[in-house]
Amino acid sequence: DAGVIQSPRHEVTEMGQEVTLRCKPISGHNSLFWYRQTMMRGLELLIYFNNNVPIDDSGMPEDRFSAKMPNASFSTLKIQPSEPRDSAVYFCASSLYGEGVYEQYFGPGTRLTVT
Amino acid sequence: AQSVAQPEDQVNVAEGNPLTVKCTYSVSGNPYLFWYVQYPNRGLQFLLKYITGDNLVKGSYGFEAEFNKSQTSFHLKKPSALVSDSALYFCAVRVGPDTGRRALTFGSGTRLQVQP
Repeated sequence: DAGVIQSPRHEVTEMGQEVTLRCKPISGHNSLFWYRQTMMRGLELLIYFNNNVPIDDSGMPEDRFSAKMPNASFSTLKIQPSEPRDSAVYFCASSLYGEGVYEQYFGPGTRLTVT
Repeated sequence: AQSVAQPEDQVNVAEGNPLTVKCTYSVSGNPYLFWYVQYPNRGLQFLLKYITGDNLVKGSYGFEAEFNKSQTSFHLKKPSALVSDSALYFCAVRVGPDTGRRALTFGSGTRLQVQP
């Protein structure tokens, strides 16, 4: 299995531009999580989906952030307009959802720099 | 509510010596506990988890963790450290059994530095 795939791996953009981060979860996994990691705030959960439905988006910083999961194999995290304080590493993770307790598998992350 | 505390920002240990990375948790209910490791410029990798049963859990790369309910702790241990163990370690918790909330709460991370 290829694991969780994220693209792009690095993104540099100017303030005010729209940024779209993409994630392909592990095949067969039906829970998907978006995290943000910074030195100041550590690892923060932004939003997660079960069976393509958003369950908890309380971690999304503000209305500039939006996430979608149109099908079981693809999710996007969009920032519009971007700001320098959005600079961080964004991780996508996936897991099984159902009976049992399953660990999350993380992608390699997207390093976002907003200038 | 659920929370995790990793009281040490960094742990230094000599190669071959035992290592311990500390974690304490707070949940309203039974805890499900996890340890992850992050190498530079990589995503987090799962090491081990405690759900129920034996308090000593064994995981990947020779790591183990001990669940202590009275002390609400889940410390990560390894009998003999390797230089290649140097990385950032995260403890995580969520309440169980299933309440519909599947998200983990992560600690702030502890950087382990193993000196040759």
